[in-house]
Formats: sequence, C-alpha cells, structure tokens
Amino acid sequence: IMMTQSPATLSVSLGEGATLSCRASQSVSTNVAWYQQRPGHPPRLLLYGASIRATGVPARFSGSGSGPDYTLTIHNLQSEDLAVYYCQQYNNWPWYTFGQGTKLEIK
Amino acid sequence: QVQLVQSGAEVKKTGASVKVSCQTSGYTFTSYNVIWMRQARGQGLECVGWISGYNGHANYSDSLQGRVTMTADTSTNTVYMELRSLKSDDTGVYYCAKEGDGGWLDPWGQGTLITVS
Repeated sequence: IMMTQSPATLSVSLGEGATLSCRASQSVSTNVAWYQQRPGHPPRLLLYGASIRATGVPARFSGSGSGPDYTLTIHNLQSEDLAVYYCQQYNNWPWYTFGQGTKLEIK
Repeated sequence: QVQLVQSGAEVKKTGASVKVSCQTSGYTFTSYNVIWMRQARGQGLECVGWISGYNGHANYSDSLQGRVTMTADTSTNTVYMELRSLKSDDTGVYYCAKEGDGGWLDPWGQGTLITVS
C-alpha cells in the first residue's frame, strides 16, 4: 500500500494552524498513525487509529479521515512543532508503509 | 517507562557486516514485536523487517532478504539486527521500535548511524 503525503513542505506562521494530508493507494480502515520527527531525533508517535492522541501529545494535534484519506491538523503552531511529519498505514500487517513526509517550516 | 536503547554508531567498509543491538525495558518482551526501520540522510523511512519477541520469528523486506538477520534474546530482552555484504546504499540511521497493540510504533530507539565507505 502506497502512502502519499501532501504538501512536501508547508510554511506556517506561529500561532496559526496547519493541515497535512495523507492518501493511501487503497482503503486502510483508519489504521493510520502519524509521527513527528524533529531534526536529529527519532520519530515520535502522535496519533494512532487516525485520531487517537498518544500519551502526552498536546490537544492541539488532531487527526481525522477514513477510507484512503487522512488529515493531521495542528492548531496554534509552536516553534517546537518544526519537524517532518510522517503518516503510516498498519492495515497491511506486517508490512507497514510510510508516506514520504511533510516538512513543516515556521514562516 | 518503555525504553529501547540502541548500540552506538558504526563505520564499516563495503562488503563487511554490522550487528546492531536494541535493548528493551519497561514492558513484557515476549508480548510484542520489534520493528527495524532505516532512514538515509534527508530521506524517508524504510521498513527493514520485524521480529517476534514471543518466538523469535522474523520477516525481512524483499530488498534486504538474504543479507539481514534479526535475533531476539529473551534472557536480556534484547533484539539484534545483522546486515551483511554492506553497500554504500546501506548508509543511514537504523531504528528499532516497539510495535503497539494495533501496529503503530511506539516508542523508538534513539537510532544507530551506520556509515559504509
């Protein structure tokens, strides 16, 4: 299953919101996770089940979607949100696939 | 808390082998799979394979089949990944991660940089 993320790069001002998209090549039944990877760090789980926040993730991160289309929304952007965000499908166990990432830049 | 701690960076010659360890703690090792991922500099994430903490059964990506072996030591709750016949394309950061109850990966190890020259 291919996962396609858009846009590749997103520039957003502090305090604003950002919407990141992920499209699967077929339905993945909300078996989607989102990860944040800050420079020099491993990926960190943000959401699973398309919309369930992982422990410790701020409420300004939210997810939605169904079928093949999913969205990560970040409200009230903070400087620490500068990162690359990846979506992952785990519907096709055990061969998980990731999107190519969206780089979030602070404008 | 759940932790995965990986061995340190390695520099290898083309054709050599490397073995990376991933020591786990804070959960029941035999109840979860551990996944290995890799990331070339500035690139995305590629699945290398996974291993069961329960029975040591492993599956490897087609692109690395024949060159990679994963093992699990239940006495030390440690997983190992060995990559043989190294090529320059194998250069990158290798991560281990615990598979969650449904297939998401959390947490991840800190990463191990493997440089092949």
